[in-house]
Amino acid sequence: NAGVMQNPRHLVRRRGQEARLRCSPMKGHSHVYWYRQLPEEGLKFMVYLQKENIIDESGMPKERFSAEFPKEGPSILRIQQVVRGDSAAYFCASSRDRGSNQPQHFGDGTRLSIL
Amino acid sequence: KQEVTQIPAALSVPEGENLVLNCSFTDSAIYNLQWFRQDPGKGLTSLLLIQSSQREQTSGRLNASLDKSSGRSTLYIAASQPGDSATYLCAVLIGTSYGKLTFGQGTILTVHP
Repeated sequence: NAGVMQNPRHLVRRRGQEARLRCSPMKGHSHVYWYRQLPEEGLKFMVYLQKENIIDESGMPKERFSAEFPKEGPSILRIQQVVRGDSAAYFCASSRDRGSNQPQHFGDGTRLSIL
Repeated sequence: KQEVTQIPAALSVPEGENLVLNCSFTDSAIYNLQWFRQDPGKGLTSLLLIQSSQREQTSGRLNASLDKSSGRSTLYIAASQPGDSATYLCAVLIGTSYGKLTFGQGTILTVHP
């Protein structure tokens, strides 16, 4: 019973390149959440998606960042034209349903380093 | 704006000791509060979830309480072990989307033999 799978575990990009982070939720889970953990800071919510829909993107930077969760395949967090300040650990979580009794289960994260 | 604070920032105790981690939040309009542990280089492991209508939850040596009106939660760890060493995070679920967790900065716990 695999947990939330994120890949790659580590990603190195040069400034100006694109970064694509993937997240496969737990089996049976259709709700996906992305969080970012900057160095020396806590986890910050970015976006909440349900299959093919963005439910809450209140934590997403207005530019360069986008997220999708297609009908088939993993959820993708895409960062265009990366800058040094994008270096962080990006965590994905999933839940079976929406509601106050639904715990979010986290993956091991993708560590993004910008050269 | 919801803010979550955890005290202490770090805690070092000898094995076998009972300990309490504290979490406070500024806005009582939460749906639930969750406690997680994070090991270095790893993701978060969900420990306990307390819904806003509940007062406490227990799992093994862990007990979490919630006082929504005062904006506080405590995580009690009984008979601590070196394997309990990790960063403990509390998070509150807010917002109409039922999806947004707001996290505290965490308490780094070290249990030494």
